[in-house]
Amino acid sequence: DTGVSQDPRHKITKRGQNVTFRCDPISEHNRLYWYRQTLGQGPEFLTYFQNEAQLEKSRLLSDRFSAERPKGSFSTLEIQRTEQGDSAMYLCASTNLAGGPREQFFGPGTRLTVL
Amino acid sequence: AQTVTQSQPEMSVQEAETVTLSCTYDTSESDYYLFWYKQPPSRQMILVIRQEAYKQQNATENRFSVNFQKAAKSFSLKISDSQLGDAAMYFCAYKGTNTGNQFYFGTGTSLTVIP
Repeated sequence: DTGVSQDPRHKITKRGQNVTFRCDPISEHNRLYWYRQTLGQGPEFLTYFQNEAQLEKSRLLSDRFSAERPKGSFSTLEIQRTEQGDSAMYLCASTNLAGGPREQFFGPGTRLTVL
Repeated sequence: AQTVTQSQPEMSVQEAETVTLSCTYDTSESDYYLFWYKQPPSRQMILVIRQEAYKQQNATENRFSVNFQKAAKSFSLKISDSQLGDAAMYFCAYKGTNTGNQFYFGTGTSLTVIP
């Protein structure tokens, strides 16, 4: 399978706990995006990487959120001290710069439920 | 920030009929990209069609076509000969060329196909 994968697919946690999600992009893609999607809404941009560099972060990304892409391949998104408002689908997408802004390829998402 | 508006939360269409989904956007840029994405229930988001703003010709992909009106900042999606598999959430998205690398998504339109 050469698509974007995310792990875990579902995560249930208690308020105050830390969670970490992983995204494996398509191997030749140098850009990786994280989005948050709540019910009835479109994806909201959180942050993106070009190779290992985190180039842009949304104002939505509070200090409790941190993302890394250490070797320019997979990425992790960590949420510390989770709150009920963090419950959402977290989507990862990757794309390749070559040839202009091509489509983003999305992963299946990680659904987070904070109790 | 750019905004993308989808004013139709829900639409329905009879199988084999044609339906048009609306999208408007706000930007001060002259060069940008527009996309329609499809998100089937519990499945990954996939690209339906893409339009470059500098191209006057409307994009077409099989049964899917767009009506791109640059002056009106309108980008509607027409689905011809609707099939049951077309039932999904449809998101309109915008990406500029001079305002960072974010993709901005609308709130989506839920399309039901009636057999």
